[in-house]
Order: sequence, then C-alpha cells, then structure tokens
Amino acid sequence: QQQVKQSPQSLIVQKGGISIINCAYENTAFDYFPWYQQFPGKGPALLIAIRPDVSEKKEGRFTISFNKSAKQFSLHIMDSQPGDSATYFCAVLYPGGTSYGKLTFGQGTILTVHP
Amino acid sequence: EAGVTQFPSHSVIEKGQTVTLRCDPISGHDNLYWYRRVMGKEIKFLLHFVKESKQDESGMPNNRFLAERTGGTYSTLKVQPAELEDSGVYFCASSQVSGEGGEQYFGPGTRLTVT
Repeated sequence: QQQVKQSPQSLIVQKGGISIINCAYENTAFDYFPWYQQFPGKGPALLIAIRPDVSEKKEGRFTISFNKSAKQFSLHIMDSQPGDSATYFCAVLYPGGTSYGKLTFGQGTILTVHP
Repeated sequence: EAGVTQFPSHSVIEKGQTVTLRCDPISGHDNLYWYRRVMGKEIKFLLHFVKESKQDESGMPNNRFLAERTGGTYSTLKVQPAELEDSGVYFCASSQVSGEGGEQYFGPGTRLTVT
C-alpha cells in the first residue's frame, strides 16, 4: 500500500515557466512534509518542508502549498531554470513511536527545464 | 564537513552471491538510516539505527538482509544470498537527531545489480 502518491511522473517546462508537482497522502497523523531534490549521481537533498499548521511556505522560487482537508501538498517552482532539472520527491515523516524519523517517499518526478 | 559516504558506488553480482554495502555517516550523527529505491519506484525505508541500536527495522524485506552498526559509527548492509529483486539503489542517510528537527543527509547511494 503506497501511502504517498506523487504526480506527474515526469514534467517538461520551458525556462521561466512554473513547475508544479503534487502529492497526496492517506494518514492524517503525518505532521511534517518535506520535498527532496536529487541530481544524477547524488543522493536526495532536503529542498523545503512544511508543517500542517500553515497552508503555504515559500523559500526563494520554491513554494509548498498544503491542503490539510484534502490531504494534499504541492511544490511550485517559479521561474524554472535549467539548473532545476532534477528528480523531486515528496515525503512524509512519521510523527512518533518507534518509527519516528522514518521518511515515506512518493515515487518521484523527473523535471526537465528546457532553455 | 564531509558528507555521508557510501561504498561501493556500484556493485554487480550474480544471484546467490553475497554483497556488503558500507555507509559512513556524518561525524557525530547518532541516527543512521538505510533506504532503497527499486527502478522507477519510490524510495523505501529499510531501517533506522540510533547509535548502535536498531530503532526501527520494519522496512527490511526479509532475513537475507542484515544491517549492523558496530560501535555506533559506520554501518554495513549485507545481502546474502542476493536475489534478482534486490537490484536497486541503496541510500544511507544520517541525522543528528531523529524526527522533524533532524534533517536527514543522504549519501550518493550504491547501485546494486543482481544478474
């Protein structure tokens, strides 16, 4: 059973455009929602994260929008650049118990930004 | 500061053989995680060490997988005997604390191919 569903699997945008990646989760107990960025040959790296007590968080060109009632969150990349081309993963963090610290990931989205 | 390192970067073995993957976490990080990504799918949690103790090993697929972290420093993940479905990229991550406050830093991964 996949607890985090991510879409689309791949995304192509033009330089300067907006990239949007969506994730849906099932367990309402999750309370921390990070996005990871992975370049080829590297491991995933934390990009931006949000807690469910806010609906939006912005860091530079990257914004997370969070809809608690719909159990969905999305990553928006404004003014997308070729250097943003990477694989993006959404994730959720187990809130406690022995699984505290365990990340559950979505399937990943391969983003390609054309110059 | 050195990041998380993993060895080897690639390993190709035949079905039935044994492989040992190594992870060196960031110095001072008590928390060490193993994850695996099978081609095109989500990154899946395998287990979590706190120092030398296994905090959560709920993601270990079966008893062919053995993880150790002697002395609370580096960790090894042994697969014996390897099966075709074990192919994938194995990531190690470490964090200073577990949970939301503990950003997990990922290594570059070990790509395992079982033929």
